[in-house]
Amino acid sequence: DTGVSQNPRHKITKRGQNVTFRCDPISEHNRLYWYRQTLGQGPEFLTYFQNEAQLEKSRLLSDRFSAERPKGSFSTLEIQRTEQGDSAMYLCASSWYQETQYFGPGTRLLVL
Amino acid sequence: GENVEQHPSTLSVQEGDSAVIKCTYSDSASNYFPWYKQELGKRPQLIIDIRSNVGEKKDQRIAVTLNKTAKHFSLHITETQPEDSAVYFCAASTVTSYGKLTFGQGTILTVHP
Repeated sequence: DTGVSQNPRHKITKRGQNVTFRCDPISEHNRLYWYRQTLGQGPEFLTYFQNEAQLEKSRLLSDRFSAERPKGSFSTLEIQRTEQGDSAMYLCASSWYQETQYFGPGTRLLVL
Repeated sequence: GENVEQHPSTLSVQEGDSAVIKCTYSDSASNYFPWYKQELGKRPQLIIDIRSNVGEKKDQRIAVTLNKTAKHFSLHITETQPEDSAVYFCAASTVTSYGKLTFGQGTILTVHP
């Protein structure tokens, strides 16, 4: 499968715990995006990378959120000290510059 | 920043009818407008897109039109089928935003057999 993959697909955690999600983009894509989607809403931009450089972060991304893309390949998104308001679907997408963004299946996070 | 408004929020049609979903955007620098279809529990999938140097694009039963002066674009689905039932999202991005997509709120399309 050469599409975008994300792991885990589901994560249940207790408030205050840290969680980490992984995204593997399409191999030849240089851009990688993270979005968050809550029920009944469109995806909201969180951050993006071009190769290994993180070039923009949304104001939605508090200091508890951090993302990396070492070596310009896979990316991780970490949420520290999770809160109930962090419950959402976290989507990853990749593209070649401003060409079509292909989305992964998402990681659904539930914070109890 | 960019703001994208999408209407209607729900749309119910009979099989074989046409469906139209409209979006407006705020940033005149926006130059790329994709439409995504998302089925329940699935990832968003691109169904059609248009760039600002084109006024209309068609792919079989799906078409998108763009009016840059009015800053709005629309999705047209003809001869709807039950499998077209899903949530549809419009989005916009600019070159200066490095491809970051700003999405509309979504339209739940239901096609009744």
